[in-house]
Amino acid sequence: ETGVTQTPRHLVMGMTNKKSLKCEQHLGHNAMYWYKQSAKKPLELMFVYNFKEQTENNSVPSRFSPECPNSSHLFLHLHTLQPEDSALYLCASSQDLRAEETQYFGPGTRLLVL
Amino acid sequence: GEDVEQSLFLSVREGDSSVINCTYTDSSSTYLYWYKQEPGAGLQLLTYIFSNMDMKQDQRLTVLLNKKDKHLSLRIADTQTGDSAIYFCAESFAGTYKYIFGTGTRLKVLA
Repeated sequence: ETGVTQTPRHLVMGMTNKKSLKCEQHLGHNAMYWYKQSAKKPLELMFVYNFKEQTENNSVPSRFSPECPNSSHLFLHLHTLQPEDSALYLCASSQDLRAEETQYFGPGTRLLVL
Repeated sequence: GEDVEQSLFLSVREGDSSVINCTYTDSSSTYLYWYKQEPGAGLQLLTYIFSNMDMKQDQRLTVLLNKKDKHLSLRIADTQTGDSAIYFCAESFAGTYKYIFGTGTRLKVLA
């Protein structure tokens, strides 16, 4: 257990559905991240929040919409996704945004878009 | 640009040592990390090394850093079947929170 939980663990959705991924960290960290992990590709950083403020949007399509209501919770709202969006979505947190702060990852949500 | 490369697969016999290699292009990194990902799980931090160090040992794990060759390795002594997983190296840089991850090496331990 890393102190970062994600729900659901698995999700199957159609291209017209709307769903949300949830991440919660119990580490007292101030920074939270969304990553996309696709097969045989490096992890792709999607969004970064620090003290609930978004500091990074790494050219992510608008069909992905993040929300950070407080420093412990992070959501990723999904709508009108494409099959190529099928991947493992990982949430991570760190104490803050300094390079020496280790990022701790959740178990991920495996998403399949039909 | 930044690039971190790893071989895709490694197979070893139980009890042998495993060596997982990683090469990177940007030598200005501050920290270099090794993460382990078991099936169906997220990334678990195994160990990390500060860029001004050459070696770090932590129980069965030994990290070697060759800055001249931009090469990082993870040696697992007495490899067990529970070590079967995907291993990612990553580097971070001063002044930024961004990690650059490798594509991962899938380690298979044969009984």
